[in-house]
Amino acid sequence: EIVLTQSPGTLSLSPGERATLSCRASQSLSSSSLAWYQQKPGQAPRLLIYVASSRATGIPDRFSGSGSGTEFTLTISRLEPEDSALYYCQQYGTSRAFGQGTKVEIK
Amino acid sequence: QGQLVQSGGEVKKPGASVKVSCKASGYPFNSYGVSWVRQAPGRGLEWMGWISPYNGNTKYAQIFQGRVTMTTDTSTTTAYMELRSLRSDDTAVYYCARDSPRKAMDAWGQGTTVTVFS
Repeated sequence: EIVLTQSPGTLSLSPGERATLSCRASQSLSSSSLAWYQQKPGQAPRLLIYVASSRATGIPDRFSGSGSGTEFTLTISRLEPEDSALYYCQQYGTSRAFGQGTKVEIK
Repeated sequence: QGQLVQSGGEVKKPGASVKVSCKASGYPFNSYGVSWVRQAPGRGLEWMGWISPYNGNTKYAQIFQGRVTMTTDTSTTTAYMELRSLRSDDTAVYYCARDSPRKAMDAWGQGTTVTVFS
């Protein structure tokens, strides 16, 4: 079973700053089967990134994903107030599993 | 596109079962899997399992094996998730999501709140 570990637990930044979220897998992920989701309070998760670096439909280009193997990163280049949310990574290779989440707070 | 609409909230007693439905529209139902994910209050996302509407194949997370059953009805493009022997720690929002090998979970239902208490 692949375990995903996200860091940091909470990120507190100002509008316009750059956010870097990390996701580490306990085993190498095949075909970079790694996705990122955004979840706001009271809402269902929304897909941001799939296959590690492809943006989902309608996702602003300030969101980008990178990485391979066991190390993956979600970058929000210029934070906006509406980016305040929980962010989860997920592997979808042989099975599925989510990381524990990173909370992004906008000062 | 693709839209998933789930059934309404449920209140159950410990030991009971719950069955949540997920009506899909706007895409070829048989061409995508359906995953079920739950979220307990204040907690993260927990994957429960997956089903292929094409052939009925399922894969369940180990912690739910023996207690969960996922099915689909292709005539109504609806997926179902039944959880048995409910406990108080099954209180959560349950989501269905369209699931593909490439685009992961790219469409989600609105969530169904299941509350278990005596």
